[in-house]
Amino acid sequence: QAVVTQEPSLTVSPGGTVTLTCGSSTGPVTAGHFPYWFQQKPGQAPTTLISDVRNTFSWTPVRFSGSLIGGKAALTLSGAQPEDEAEYFCLLVYGVTWVFGGGTKLTVL
Amino acid sequence: EVQLLESGGGLGQPGGSLGLSCAASGFSFNIYPMTWVRQAPGKGLEWVSSISNSGDHASYGDSVKGRFTVSRDNSKNELYLQMNSLTDEDAGIYYCLKGAWGSRFDNWGQGTLVAVSS
Repeated sequence: QAVVTQEPSLTVSPGGTVTLTCGSSTGPVTAGHFPYWFQQKPGQAPTTLISDVRNTFSWTPVRFSGSLIGGKAALTLSGAQPEDEAEYFCLLVYGVTWVFGGGTKLTVL
Repeated sequence: EVQLLESGGGLGQPGGSLGLSCAASGFSFNIYPMTWVRQAPGKGLEWVSSISNSGDHASYGDSVKGRFTVSRDNSKNELYLQMNSLTDEDAGIYYCLKGAWGSRFDNWGQGTLVAVSS
């Protein structure tokens, strides 16, 4: 089974910009992996932020954006807010199965 | 408003069985594939299983293949997960998630807690 890798932890200053990445053990992440990004705050269910590399949902704050950078999927947060402190998980598709990354704990400090 | 409400969690014995349900409302359940995702205590998310909108196709993660069975009843707007041969590693919160092949993962349920202990 493929392994999906994320930074274990990152810190961003309030108002700052940070990029989280999502890599695949099988090679470069492409649009064909249909990368997703999810946000999970302590004690809560996850919420979906980004689908298919860069598509947002009605509830996705505009400060979040998705892209492909250097063979990885990327989630960029521009203008971090205290409420963005959470764990972020990416998800990639491999044929008919999906694999989550281990998650990035983002601290806003 | 889309709502997904999981139930059926509780204490299962090693080697035993548990069945989970997810009641869906607020959307046309019969046209969307559905997915189960779990999260062990203090750990990350793990994709468990997905099922097509008609129920005629399902896919499973390696860790549950052969032990878990996903199904659905479109007449009742319900999704199910039958878990057999439980092990300690099956403990965690199980989430119902709308979406899978060709349909975006979007809405999540609040989850139901499964514990495995003798």
